[in-house]
Amino acid sequence: NAGVTQTPKFQVLKTGQSMTLQCAQDMNHNSMYWYRQDPGMGLRLIYYSASEGTTDKGEVPNGYNVSRLNKREFSLRLESAAPSQTSVYFCASSEATASGLSETQYFGPGTRLLVL
Amino acid sequence: AQTVTQSQPEMSVQEAETVTLSCTYDTSESDYYLFWYKQPPSRQMILVIRQEAYKQQNATENRFSVNFQKAAKSFSLKISDSQLGDAAMYFCAYRSARGMDSNYQLIWGAGTKLIIKP
Repeated sequence: NAGVTQTPKFQVLKTGQSMTLQCAQDMNHNSMYWYRQDPGMGLRLIYYSASEGTTDKGEVPNGYNVSRLNKREFSLRLESAAPSQTSVYFCASSEATASGLSETQYFGPGTRLLVL
Repeated sequence: AQTVTQSQPEMSVQEAETVTLSCTYDTSESDYYLFWYKQPPSRQMILVIRQEAYKQQNATENRFSVNFQKAAKSFSLKISDSQLGDAAMYFCAYRSARGMDSNYQLIWGAGTKLIIKP
């Protein structure tokens, strides 16, 4: 049981390049999330997927797209990277209770992205 | 909109002693969850403890306990018998329990860096 895994762990991009961050969870969770963490700040939600087949914008979605490929996998794509997207990116997942509410979120190890 | 405030950017404690990290939040809701997460130098976010707002009893997990004051909107974390492995950034987070799509979001504080002195 690996929990939440993310690839790559570290990436350097040039301005304008594109890339996809991969995330997978093996806990059979319904909900998955992408966050970014910048120095001196808490995490900010980029996109989330409440369940397979659905995605919704979070607090800071501009410049990103997501795909909920199946229940396990949730990818984040940067179509044209900008220096402002230099950050640490975290994927998380959570399960829903019988009432439909999501519980505690479990995080991956993070991807450190540097855009030059 | 809900906000979470951690007023202590950095705290230090002697190994084996007790330290309390502060967190306050602002919300108009009555039902919600509060969390403390730990982020060690490895950068992974690790859940430390969770509190449901409808529960009056303070949550505890081994050496970690919270002081939840709902009326004051305060949620502090107490770490007893501090260990070197406790050194990390600690984040307080809030989540609504309403269950609508817009409330899947965790609202995060800016974090407190905890230093353990040997």
